[in-house]
Amino acid sequence: EVQLVESGGGLVQPGGSLRLSCAVSGFTFSSFWMHWVRQAPGKGLVWVSRINSDGSVTSYADSVKGRFTISRDNAKNTLYLEMNTLGAEDTAVYYCARDWKLPDYWGQGTLVTVSS
Amino acid sequence: QSALTQPPSASGSPGQSVTISCTGTSSDVGAYNYVSWYQQHPGKAPKLMISEVTKRPSGVPDRFSGSKSGNTASLTVSGLQAEDEADYYCGSYAGNKFVFGTGTKVTVL
Repeated sequence: EVQLVESGGGLVQPGGSLRLSCAVSGFTFSSFWMHWVRQAPGKGLVWVSRINSDGSVTSYADSVKGRFTISRDNAKNTLYLEMNTLGAEDTAVYYCARDWKLPDYWGQGTLVTVSS
Repeated sequence: QSALTQPPSASGSPGQSVTISCTGTSSDVGAYNYVSWYQQHPGKAPKLMISEVTKRPSGVPDRFSGSKSGNTASLTVSGLQAEDEADYYCGSYAGNKFVFGTGTKVTVL
């Protein structure tokens, strides 16, 4: 059974940093590209970032480029999102998703709240 | 990258059909056959309902179907059931990025 479990969310002050993790099981992690997607409270889905299977190719939404870094550890079956210089607009549930031609399986999400 | 445009809401009675549109541009929906549709119930993670414009993943009822014409993709839910009441989002690749639609709330009357 494919499973993705996000962790690392929480309350952070404006300007602060946070690292999210996504632990996967049930499939060969090293063979799949992966995404991060976020959803602000009461709002729609917004794509954040994508990484290829070996971590050598990444892409970002303009809103997070230069502040967020996606990475992965294939030996640990874990995807990461390092988030810096956080602002109120980054408050959201963050989902990781597997890519099989398109985002297919999703985790349950982890909530990030940016507030003083 | 602008979000794909969806109607905010759609509704139908049980047993009826509802169709949701997803309008993009020649750089996303119109450029690729990598268009997907997701169902999201309140407080839950999105679930893939349609992949590559028309393909239904295993376990998705055949009441759900997808299509595309030019820069607009569509999702049709036939034979509406109470459990179909949810938010629906389209998505498409746009070069090396991915873009989602604005979302449509489907209400079963």
